[in-house]
Amino acid sequence: GAVVSQHPSRVICKSGTSVKIECRSLDFQATTMFWYRQFPKQSLMLMATSNEGSKATYEQGVEKDKFLINHASLTLSTLTVTSAHPEDSSFYICSARRTSGNSFQETQYFGPGTRLLVL
Amino acid sequence: QKEVEQNSGPLSVPEGAIASLNCTYSDRGSQSFFWYRQYSGKSPELIMSIYSNGDKEDGRFTAQLNKASQYVSLLIRDSQPSDSATYLCAVRGTSYGKLTFGQGTILTVHP
Repeated sequence: GAVVSQHPSRVICKSGTSVKIECRSLDFQATTMFWYRQFPKQSLMLMATSNEGSKATYEQGVEKDKFLINHASLTLSTLTVTSAHPEDSSFYICSARRTSGNSFQETQYFGPGTRLLVL
Repeated sequence: QKEVEQNSGPLSVPEGAIASLNCTYSDRGSQSFFWYRQYSGKSPELIMSIYSNGDKEDGRFTAQLNKASQYVSLLIRDSQPSDSATYLCAVRGTSYGKLTFGQGTILTVHP
C-alpha cells in the first residue's frame, strides 16, 4: 500500500499554545487529504477535507478558525490546532487519497496518527 | 438511522475459525466500500476494497458486496490471534472523496 507519514507522533503542550501537525504522502501525490479525530473507544470523526491549492472544507461543528488547515503542495497538508485546550486532547489522523484511472476506485491511506495531550 | 452500521460486537472466535463481520449502509448511491483494521492505539490500515457486487478474495480475507441489500461483509478465514483488532467498514457515497465510517466491530481471536 501507499505510505503516508505524520509528524509528530506524539505531542504534549500547555493550554493556550498552538500545535502544528504535518501529513505527508511519501510515494504518491495527493490532491486531497483528510483530517480525522478519534476519541478513546470511538470511531473516526472527519474534521475537514484538505484540497491542494484551495481552502479546506470543514465538517459541521468543526471550528475552522481553531483548526487551521493548509495544503500547500501535492504531498503535504498541515493541521494547526490553535489555542489548544484540554478538550482538544485526542488522536488526530490524516489520510491521503490516492487516485487511479477509475475515479470511484480511489483509495484513502492513513497516516500513523498524532496523539495530542493538552495540559 | 446511522449512515453506516456494523454489527455491534464484540466478536470472539477461536483460533482457526471463520470470523464474519457485517456492515449495512443507507446511501443507495454508494459506489466504493472498504474494510480497515485498527489495532489499539494505531491508525486504520486498509485491508480490502470492493466496488462490484459479489465476492472479492485476498488471502484469508473475503469481502462480499450486495448493493441491492445495501450490505457489505468481511470474512476472515483461519482466524489468528494477530487478527484481534477493531474492524472499520467505510463507505464512499455520493459526496466526492469522503468516507463514512461505521462504529467498528471489535474482534478477539482466542488461542
